[in-house]
Amino acid sequence: DTGVSQDPRHKITKRGQNVTFRCDPISEHNRLYWYRQTLGQGPEFLTYFQNEAQLEKSRLLSDRFSAERPKGSFSTLEIQRTEQGDSAMYLCASSLAAGGSSPLHFGNGTRLTVT
Amino acid sequence: AQRVTQPEKLLSVFKGAPVELKCNYSYSGSPELFWYVQYSRQRLQLLLRHISRESIKGFTADLNKGETSFHLKKPFAQEEDSAMYYCALSATGFQKLVFGTGTRLLVSP
Repeated sequence: DTGVSQDPRHKITKRGQNVTFRCDPISEHNRLYWYRQTLGQGPEFLTYFQNEAQLEKSRLLSDRFSAERPKGSFSTLEIQRTEQGDSAMYLCASSLAAGGSSPLHFGNGTRLTVT
Repeated sequence: AQRVTQPEKLLSVFKGAPVELKCNYSYSGSPELFWYVQYSRQRLQLLLRHISRESIKGFTADLNKGETSFHLKKPFAQEEDSAMYYCALSATGFQKLVFGTGTRLLVSP
């Protein structure tokens, strides 16, 4: 499968713990996005990278959230001191920047449950 | 601010009936509009985009700037069309997508 890969698929953690998710984009894609989706809602934009540069962050991304893409390939999303409100599906997507917008290819997501 | 509205949470039709999933948007510039679909147990995937002006799996969508709408249509629904459909907008020069809340389409035999 050469699509976007996310790990883990599910994560259950206790409130206050830190969690880290990984995303491996499609290899030739230079843009990588993180979205969050809660029940009954569409995906909400969190942040995106072009190569290793983080170009935009949503106001949804509090100080407890940090994302990296150190070598312009895979990315990690860390949530520190998790809260119950962080429970959601975290989606990663990638695209190829080729002038103008290009379609996003999504991974299967990581479902986070904070107890 | 960009906003996408999908007024119907659930649309239930019988096989062979026409389908129209509504999408309205709010954006002052020239947006790019997309429909994404998520079948059961599958990842979110692009169905179609307005600039392509193509029909995918029998679905079409026309951008109506006057009504700020991008409704998704299919003349004869099939059971395999049952899925969650999301309308999304990308503002000019930007890359992030703003999604609507989605409409679940249920096609019954």
